[in-house]
Amino acid sequence: EAQVTQNPRYLITVTGKKLTVTCSQNMNHEYMSWYRQDPGLGLRQIYYSMNVEVTDKGDVPEGYKVSRKEKRNFPLILESPSPNQTSLYFCASSPLGNTYEQYFGPGTRLTVT
Amino acid sequence: AQSVTQLGSHVSVSEGALVLLRCNYSSSVPPYLFWYVQYPNQGLQLLLKYTTGATLVKGINGFEAEFKKSETSFHLTKPSAHMSDAAEYFCAVSAQSSGDKLTFGTGTRLAVRP
Repeated sequence: EAQVTQNPRYLITVTGKKLTVTCSQNMNHEYMSWYRQDPGLGLRQIYYSMNVEVTDKGDVPEGYKVSRKEKRNFPLILESPSPNQTSLYFCASSPLGNTYEQYFGPGTRLTVT
Repeated sequence: AQSVTQLGSHVSVSEGALVLLRCNYSSSVPPYLFWYVQYPNQGLQLLLKYTTGATLVKGINGFEAEFKKSETSFHLTKPSAHMSDAAEYFCAVSAQSSGDKLTFGTGTRLAVRP
């Protein structure tokens, strides 16, 4: 089954404790992206990647890191989480020639206390 | 740069009534327009899209939307609401170029009353 998976689905952590949210897709997509969803703000892009070893900032990259060492994986790293990073996070992927038609993962709800 | 504005963060309709969710866009280049739906506790899924050609596009579950360039609108409609349509709906825009990002609206939560 074609899908985007994220882990964990739910995470409660404390300020400053490094964490990684994993994202994996099995559709051989070149393009992958991370979004955060906040009430009243919709989805905002954090980082995206056009292919292996190619990443770029989205609209709200501060406080986040990503890497793309393999085509299928695109982890999101929070080196020192803060409460304002409490949000619902989505990973998405698409073929490079069709980046507007993205396949979304189920989401990761992160709470930073 | 592209942007979308969704009018009404919450819309409530009765089962069987018309659904109308409004979206207006701003784009300096010809846009591609999309509606995504998010069911509770799930990721977003594409409902329908306009790229080129026919301005009235049909999507899944009986939804359709019409691209009106003169009004810079892409409103989503369904003639008869079903309880299962309760979800959050996002309008999105992209430039007509490969690799351009999606820009999402702030979302409209649709409630369907029995």
